[in-house]
Amino acid sequence: DTEVTQTPKHLVMGMTNKKSLKCEQHMGHRAMYWYKQKAKKPPELMFVYSYEKLSINESVPSRFSPECPNSSLLNLHLHALQPEDSALYLCASSQERGELFFGEGSRLTVL
Amino acid sequence: SQQGEEDPQALSIQEGENATMNCSYKTSINNLQWYRQNSGRGLVHLILIRSNEREKHSGRLRVTLDTSKKSSSLLITASRAADTASYFCATDAVGGTASKLTFGTGTRLQVTL
Repeated sequence: DTEVTQTPKHLVMGMTNKKSLKCEQHMGHRAMYWYKQKAKKPPELMFVYSYEKLSINESVPSRFSPECPNSSLLNLHLHALQPEDSALYLCASSQERGELFFGEGSRLTVL
Repeated sequence: SQQGEEDPQALSIQEGENATMNCSYKTSINNLQWYRQNSGRGLVHLILIRSNEREKHSGRLRVTLDTSKKSSSLLITASRAADTASYFCATDAVGGTASKLTFGTGTRLQVTL
């Protein structure tokens, strides 16, 4: 099984809503990632978890809150987002260093 | 910004031709990777080349790395319409127990029949 599964595929939320994006992998990978991608731009790193501990936070606003409940799951909690946060949010995993396996992404629209 | 630059930004070729994309970066790296992304989808890993390697092949793909010039190239030979996608290089910084990939600006490849 070489899949990274992201849910939901699409999410529309208002600026006062609280929602979560979920990511799951069963490849035994110990590193998991959140990337943000705007249209026609490259992915930008947001957070990295290594062995279930947050190892990198790329100065992401606190309205984005990551959580790694166990080695297979990664969540991104969203609260009080702005319209400019609308983007494709990509989750990925890897076996420590090396190639990343990406999910298909969650497309977020903030109204 | 530590983001790498890719050129060309867009490339249109006919099926059967070769496609070459170039990537330049700014910092020391552990490895450099190339990914492909179909429109609005997730990224798919193509090939990884380590900082002590100069060239690597995988099927129709050939990647070169010149760390003295901080540059890499991806060659796709005998292109097919199915190769139409965006291609990104990504540099992995030195250190840590997880990758820290910084993606280049990307090349949009269009392969026509």
